[in-house]
Amino acid sequence: DQQVKQNSPSLSVQEGRISILNCDYTNSMFDYFLWYKKYPAEGPTFLISISSIKDKNEDGRFTVFLNKSAKHLSLHIVPSQPGDSAVYFCAASGSNTGNQFYFGTGTSLTVIP
Amino acid sequence: DAGITQSPRHKVTETGTPVTLRCHQTENHRYMYWYRQDPGHGLRLIHYSYGVKDTDKGEVSDGYSVSRSKTEDFLLTLESATSSQTSVYFCAISAPGDEQYFGPGTRLTVT
Repeated sequence: DQQVKQNSPSLSVQEGRISILNCDYTNSMFDYFLWYKKYPAEGPTFLISISSIKDKNEDGRFTVFLNKSAKHLSLHIVPSQPGDSAVYFCAASGSNTGNQFYFGTGTSLTVIP
Repeated sequence: DAGITQSPRHKVTETGTPVTLRCHQTENHRYMYWYRQDPGHGLRLIHYSYGVKDTDKGEVSDGYSVSRSKTEDFLLTLESATSSQTSVYFCAISAPGDEQYFGPGTRLTVT
């Protein structure tokens, strides 16, 4: 049973435009959400996180939005750059997960120059 | 970068042979994790550890065992490798309540 879902396997965006990556979750006890970026042949790297007490967190070009009622979070990248081309994973953990993190299946972002 | 290494980085082995993958950290983090990454499945947790000699199963633990005798080392063992265990394996570490840091991965091929 996939508790964290990324329904778009891939996304293509023109350089300079906004990239929006989406993630849905089912466990209402999740209270900490993260986005990771992964290049081929490398391990995932932490990008940005948000706790359930907030609905937005911003770090430079990256903003994560959390809609708790819809159990939905999104990552906005603006402006998108070719170096942003990678696979993005969302992840979640909560008070009932014992420091375990649940990952989505990933979205492959391609930024076209 | 977090001090986390994995060895070996690549391995080819035959069905039925035992395989051990090693994760080593220099961050003194309490939590260590083993994931596998497969197309269409993302990252799936195999086992994790919340302290020396304290481990627990993840969602895909069948066919795998782990050991943690020191804070810095977390070993993943495939007792008898099968072709379905061909995958890329990632180790991760974290402090309580913090994000995870991942190692560079081990590509395992079981023929």
